Amino acid sequence: DIQMTQSPSSLSAAVGDRVTITCRASQGISNSLAWYQQKSGKAPKLLLYAASRLESGVPSRFSGSGSGTDYTLTISSLQPEDFATYYCQQYYSLTITFGGGTKVEIK
Amino acid sequence: EVQLVESGGGLVQPGGSLRLSCAASGFTFSNYWMQWVRQAPGKGLVWVSRIKTDGSSTSYADSVKGRFTISRDNAKNTLYLQMNSLRAEDTAVYYCTRETSYSGSYFSDYWGQGTLVTVSS
Repeated sequence: DIQMTQSPSSLSAAVGDRVTITCRASQGISNSLAWYQQKSGKAPKLLLYAASRLESGVPSRFSGSGSGTDYTLTISSLQPEDFATYYCQQYYSLTITFGGGTKVEIK
Repeated sequence: EVQLVESGGGLVQPGGSLRLSCAASGFTFSNYWMQWVRQAPGKGLVWVSRIKTDGSSTSYADSVKGRFTISRDNAKNTLYLQMNSLRAEDTAVYYCTRETSYSGSYFSDYWGQGTLVTVSS
């Protein structure tokens, strides 16, 4: 199985900060990467797919980049509603795998 | 509006069985691959299984292979997960997700609210 290593596992940031989360795959995944946001007690929500394509309705402060094995989620200016846990997911292989998650907390 | 509503969760003893259901509405169910994803209390997301549109192809995480079976009834717009030989480590919220495709690859775009399965004596 493809392993997804996400970092950091948690971070503290203030409203307005720029936040970057990274995800590294154990092998190349050809941009078959999605990012999800999960708020406490809720189901995950799709933010981006194909590494950099923004899901409809998702604010443009969210962006994604990367290629090969290394990918990044960036929140350009953190808003109060963005405090949540973020997960990357590779769907390159038939057996899907998630990163371990990054909890974004208020500083 | 796309809706996925899971049911069938509950408390079951180790070694027992449970069948989860996911009722889909708001889209043409038979046109979409579907998945199950689980999340143990306080832990991260773990993919469990997926099934092709017509049920002809399935795949499983190693941790559930041989114990869980995914299936679907396109006439009833319902996805199932039959879980046998349950273990304490299967305790989790189980989410049903719809897969959509982009450039020939499939990923989850809609998720249900989840159903809690607790395996304990």
